[in-house]
Amino acid sequence: DAGVTQSPTHLIKTRGQQVTLRCSPISGHKSVSWYQQVLGQGPQFIFQYYEKEERGRGNFPDRFSARQFPNYSSELNVNALLLGDSALYLCASSGLAGVSTDTQYFGPGTRLTVL
Amino acid sequence: AQRVTQPEKLLSVFKGAPVELKCNYSYSGSPELFWYVQYSRQRLQLLLRHISRESIKGFTADLNKGETSFHLKKPFAQEEDSAMYYCALSRKAAGNKLTFGGGTRVLVKP
Repeated sequence: DAGVTQSPTHLIKTRGQQVTLRCSPISGHKSVSWYQQVLGQGPQFIFQYYEKEERGRGNFPDRFSARQFPNYSSELNVNALLLGDSALYLCASSGLAGVSTDTQYFGPGTRLTVL
Repeated sequence: AQRVTQPEKLLSVFKGAPVELKCNYSYSGSPELFWYVQYSRQRLQLLLRHISRESIKGFTADLNKGETSFHLKKPFAQEEDSAMYYCALSRKAAGNKLTFGGGTRVLVKP
């Protein structure tokens, strides 16, 4: 298993544009979480999905949205990009979402640069 | 709201010396605490969790609820321990969503 995969690896956009990031979880995992990591900071939780339903949302504006597909892959969408959205976006998968000790496995991330 | 603080941005130690990474948290309930590590050019991965009470790669961490701390320790640092380390917390009532600290970069010098 290749582990959690994310695409694209890098992305450059301009202010006001929209972006879609993609994530494929580890085979058998039904939960996907998204985190934003700004340079020099720790990852910050954005969304969690389990069985195609949103299970949690962090303190992010409505410009951020996500969804999970029947095959458990997920997309993160960000509209009306701002310079401050420049960050590494991490996807993590786990078997469960409701168990606090269930390990999250992270992907390599998508580096988004907004100019 | 919960919060995780890692006061040191950078720790530089010599090979064979002890290393301790500090982690303090604020949360009124019963947290689950984790240490994640990111080696150069690799993805973020779990190092250890307090509930397992295990030692991984020589690292241990003890949850001190009185001091709300979860410091990571290793008695003899190795060069391969050079990496970025993140302390993280999840709340039992909120599943496995993680709140991370700002991270500590460890540099082990030969």
